Order: sequence, then structure tokens, then C-alpha cells
Amino acid sequence: AQTVTQSQPEMSVQEAETVTLSCTYDTSESDYYLFWYKQPPSRQMILVIRQEAYKQQNATENRFSVNFQKAAKSFSLKISDSQLGDAAMYFCAYRSAFGGATNKLIFGTGTLLAVQP
Amino acid sequence: ETGVTQTPRHLVMGMTNKKSLKCEQHLGHNAMYWYKQSAKKPLELMFVYSLEERVENNSVPSRFSPECPNSSHLFLHLHTLQPEDSALYLCASSQGIDGYTFGSGTRLTVV
Repeated sequence: AQTVTQSQPEMSVQEAETVTLSCTYDTSESDYYLFWYKQPPSRQMILVIRQEAYKQQNATENRFSVNFQKAAKSFSLKISDSQLGDAAMYFCAYRSAFGGATNKLIFGTGTLLAVQP
Repeated sequence: ETGVTQTPRHLVMGMTNKKSLKCEQHLGHNAMYWYKQSAKKPLELMFVYSLEERVENNSVPSRFSPECPNSSHLFLHLHTLQPEDSALYLCASSQGIDGYTFGSGTRLTVV
């Protein structure tokens, strides 16, 4: 069974600085998808960025980028130029590429990010 | 608003009550999900519906009863719940192998 581990329960960053959130996962599959979700106090889980395992190039979405290390099964999220609105719980998630809609997203326990003004 | 709407936003119910949570999506997605989110625990998948057919039930107690009358609506019927069932219940939908779109959740408190 696949597992996702986020070893940092809480992180803090100064406004305008850069922060990296860690995520590791365990799987025997070769094709899968990885995601970072953000959950602000409003509770809505918002997709931040996704990465296809077959792509070597790291995904980037404006100030958000990932460092995907397939061999090490590592998928960290870098937030550049941090803003107060980035404060939220961040979840790393895994989804197999096989099986279609029934493949569930497997989540880590989350990292609570605080942004200091 | 992401396109997945959950009601009510908050719910307080007694252990002998019967209530229902509602989820609605008009994104054209063909799969819908119920997740339970408790403090300091990973999100727990409860049910998966694909094309209105339940395809997964993760050993959820029978006091939780899902219903998917059509591809746009998903319900979670609750009865004789326990205090440990208090949590945030999230609905999500997806199409194909993409990520999920989540609702804002229902904060359930069982007293």
C-alpha cells in the first residue's frame, strides 16, 4: 500500500522569504501523480500544484514549484516570495495512474505554515 | 467557490438524531468522494462513487449511509452517531485521473 509522509507538522516563514515543505512517499508503482493541496482557515482544499511521475521536469505554478526526486521518492514544495495569504495547512497527496476514477488520493498528515509579517 | 458545494456548513446533532449532508457539483465530473478529516490524522477516505455506483466503502460503520442519486449529487445520511464521529466531512469530485476538486466541508459536532 502506498503511504505519504510529511515530517514537518509546523513551519514558519517571514513574508517575502522562501520556504520548502517536505514530503516523501512509498510506492512500488512506476506511474503515478503527486499533488500539493492548500487548506486555509476557510477549510476548502485548493489544488496548488501537480506532478506526473513520468515527467522529469519539475512542475512550476507562479510562486510555487516542486523538487521531484523520483528515485528518492521525495516531493517537496517551494514557496517563493511568501505572502500572508499563503498561511494554511499544506497536504501532499499521491494518486496511482492506474484504475481510473476509483483511485483514491492518499494524503499525508499535513504541514501547518505560518507566515510572519 | 470551486464548483463543489456542501451543505450545511456546520451541523450539531445529538446521538439519536438523523441528519444528512449534501454535496453538489456541476463540473461534469464522473466520480465523487466522501472524506473524513479529524484533527492530527490523515484524511480518511470513506466512500467512492464512480458513475453513480459505489465502488469503495472503506470499512465505514453502518451509521454512515451514502447515496448518489445522480452524477451531480452525493449525500451522506447520518444516524445514531457517536461523539468520536465529530469531524470535518469533505466531499470531492474528479474526472479521469486528475486531482480532486473539494468542497468547503461540513463541520459536524455530535453531542
